[in-house]
Amino acid sequence: SYELTQPPSVSVSPGQTTSIPCSGDKLEDRFVCWYQQKPGQSPILLIYEDNKRPSGIPERFSGSNSGNTATLTITGTQSMDEADYYCQAWVSPAVVFGGGTKVTVL
Amino acid sequence: QLQLRESGPGLVRPSETLSLTCTVSGGSTFNSNYYWGWVRQPPGKGLEWIGDIFHTGPTHYNPSLQSRVTISVDMSKNQFSLKLYSVTATDTGIYYCAGRDSISSTTFYSWGQGTLVTVSS
Repeated sequence: SYELTQPPSVSVSPGQTTSIPCSGDKLEDRFVCWYQQKPGQSPILLIYEDNKRPSGIPERFSGSNSGNTATLTITGTQSMDEADYYCQAWVSPAVVFGGGTKVTVL
Repeated sequence: QLQLRESGPGLVRPSETLSLTCTVSGGSTFNSNYYWGWVRQPPGKGLEWIGDIFHTGPTHYNPSLQSRVTISVDMSKNQFSLKLYSVTATDTGIYYCAGRDSISSTTFYSWGQGTLVTVSS
């Protein structure tokens, strides 16, 4: 079965840039979404179709997808960005989620 | 704006059937823009897709759960439902209902608040 692989955790200092990779076989051939989840809350959509932001999502969140890796980048990380982040793709006939990455803002 | 809300028992006994309902407001289950489905999250773990249904009936299920899952839609009530059979403690977790974009087949635009289901005797 298809797998999406994310690092379990990353740490970043406030104001710095962090990138979260999501790897999968020929991932560039698929649309990738990214979700943010804070403790006790539902996931919210951050990025869809690789690099598009829904209305209301700050510009500091961006996405890319090339080769076998999709990447979520947070530019100018804020303390409020401390959360779990999940990548996700459709690999017919199933939805696949990455294992999630916990971002800690030190 | 589309809103989803889960409802159902918070406690299910082992070997019995977990049954949840999702009520859609601000939109219609007739809407062909969405697959209506379920995602769960065991305590302290990541997201797992369970499956979803299109308003005309076709379903997709997680292969690892397919033998124990049924998702159905009741357009007269603007609801869709999940049944998970023969549950064990590993089925404990938060269950989210969600609407997935039918055009890209990828994006979950709308999520419910989630409901905790515990499997225990």
